[in-house]
Amino acid sequence: KAGVTQTPRYLIKTRGQQVTLSCSPISGHRSVSWYQQTPGQGLQFLFEYFSETQRNKGNFPGRFSGRQFSNSRSEMNVSTLELGDSALYLCASLQGDSSSYNEQFFGPGTRLTVL
Amino acid sequence: KNQVEQSPQSLIILEGKNCTLQCNYTVSPFSNLRWYKQDTGRGPVSLTIMTFSENTKSNGRYTATLDADTKQSSLHITASQLSDSASYICVVSARGSGGSYIPTFGRGTSLIVHP
Repeated sequence: KAGVTQTPRYLIKTRGQQVTLSCSPISGHRSVSWYQQTPGQGLQFLFEYFSETQRNKGNFPGRFSGRQFSNSRSEMNVSTLELGDSALYLCASLQGDSSSYNEQFFGPGTRLTVL
Repeated sequence: KNQVEQSPQSLIILEGKNCTLQCNYTVSPFSNLRWYKQDTGRGPVSLTIMTFSENTKSNGRYTATLDADTKQSSLHITASQLSDSASYICVVSARGSGGSYIPTFGRGTSLIVHP
């Protein structure tokens, strides 16, 4: 069974641009969560989607948004990029929803650099 | 404010030795606590998941303990191997509204195992 895939793996953008990252969960998993990881702040929760609906949202500005499609694939969008948005963006999938205690599987991440 | 504190920040041990990593949290209302291992440049991998009623959970050479009264958890690694060199992250989830769950991440402990 294929794992969680994220595209692209690396991305370089300039301030003010916008970016869209993609995540394909493990087949059969309906929950997808997104996280930002930086050396200064560590891992921080962005949002979670389950069956095309956003269930949870972390403490990030409205420039960060996402969506989930009927095939459970998810996209994350960041508009008006700032230097501080440079980070590793991880997505994770879970069988069931976040209320279950099943294992969460992470993708390899997308390394975003904002110049 | 929900917080997760991990100690030590970094640790160097010799191959074959045991070590214990600590996690203290102030997350309410508590749902579950997870330990993850993250190798450099890769996504985190789940080691253990514990609910309020569980005191101990093992996964091979990894054993996690949870004291819900003192809000402390530990991860014990037995007979360390070079491949154990990684960052170990403690994540505590709180129950939100409508059945949602919000994770709070610790900054992680960086473990280096020397031959």
